[in-house]
Parts: sequence; C-alpha cells; structure tokens
Amino acid sequence: GPKVLQIPSHQIIDMGQMVTLNCDPVSNHLYFYWYKQILGQQMEFLVNFYNGKVMEKSKLFKDQFSVERPDGSYFTLKIQPTALEDSAVYFCASSLEVDTGQLYFGEGSKLTVL
Amino acid sequence: TQTVSQSDAHVTVFEGDSVELRCNYSYGGSIYLSWYIQHHGHGLQFLLKYYSGNPVVQGVNGFEAEFSKSDSSFHLRKASVHWSDSAVYFCAVTRTEGADRLTFGKGTQLIIQP
Repeated sequence: GPKVLQIPSHQIIDMGQMVTLNCDPVSNHLYFYWYKQILGQQMEFLVNFYNGKVMEKSKLFKDQFSVERPDGSYFTLKIQPTALEDSAVYFCASSLEVDTGQLYFGEGSKLTVL
Repeated sequence: TQTVSQSDAHVTVFEGDSVELRCNYSYGGSIYLSWYIQHHGHGLQFLLKYYSGNPVVQGVNGFEAEFSKSDSSFHLRKASVHWSDSAVYFCAVTRTEGADRLTFGKGTQLIIQP
C-alpha cells in the first residue's frame, strides 16, 4: 500500500538544540499532518498543512515548532529550541483528500531530548 | 470538543477466539469514526471507518465495527483472532467539516495467547 517515509527513525539531541524531522508523504497526497505520541500514551494532533500553509494547529504546537514543505520536497517539522518535554515519537501522515477520516501514517521519528 | 473513550487498556484472548474492542465517543456534530492498528514500533495503519449508511462496516483482515448512535459507540470486532493481530488498536473521531484532525482514544492493547 501507499507508504509515508520518515527520516530519521531515531534522533538524540541536547536540550536547546534544533532538530528537523523529515517526512516523505505518499506521492499524490495533498494534505500533511504531524502527530505526537509520548511513550504509552495516545497520539495527539499537532498540525495540518495544505497548499503551503498551516490549516490548523493544536495547543501542543508551540511557538518553537514550525512546518514547511519547500518546493514539493520533504514535509518537515522543525523544533528550535528543543525542550525535555519534546521527547516523544513524532508521526507524519498524509491524505489525498480532506475530511475522509483516513490518513496514511509513517513509522515515526523517535526524538530524545537530553 | 470531541472525545474518544476506550475503556479497556488491555484485552487478552486465545488465538481463534472472537474479540470485541470497545470505543465510545462524544461529539454533537457530523463525524467520521475510524479504527487504526499499531504494531509495536510502527506507525498506525487504517483498518476501517464509518460515516453513514450501514452501521456495520467491514475492514481489512476480517475486522468489522458497528456504529450505534444511541450508545455513542463504535466497537471493533473480529470473529477469530490470529497471533498477528497482537497490537494496539486506536479508535478515532474527526469532524467532517474542515481538516482531518483526528482525536484518538488511549488505545487498547490486544494480547493473543497461543
């Protein structure tokens, strides 16, 4: 089936550093999402993105977070600076249409902030 | 505000048994209900969804779910489980207007004993 690829699968960084998580969505998909999952807890919505713009973001999407997809390349989540509470697995997702309730998820990028 | 409740954190059955994973939701508007499966260390995979029509929806690998408006429920069932069904199952709701901002339940870990 369609695949969403995420790079890196794991990243360990020191608090205060910048990190960029990369997502290669399904090729013809138009809508992109980031979700955050702290170990053992439910996945929570961070942000969604369409046509070069953020459509909606949650309160978890702090000012230190940003997303972009320059020229159809990777869809990225940047955190600058990182904090200890940013340690989590970040899942990218994409969908062809909006309002379908069906997203395709990547395998996640595990971020550990020391 | 939409909420999703999965009352069982863990469900243990024997291979070949039937299983029902429970999901209750609260939301006043028009929504999609869906189920996702997460195998250990992987991203979420879509199983099935409901929007309207026949309240029993069929998904992949023999899973089905039944919507009940009166009970505000969307329980997932399988007639005969296989060891490969061991995973965490997440129920999710999203409104039909606007972008796909999924609200997930806390998940139910299905444990299959040989």
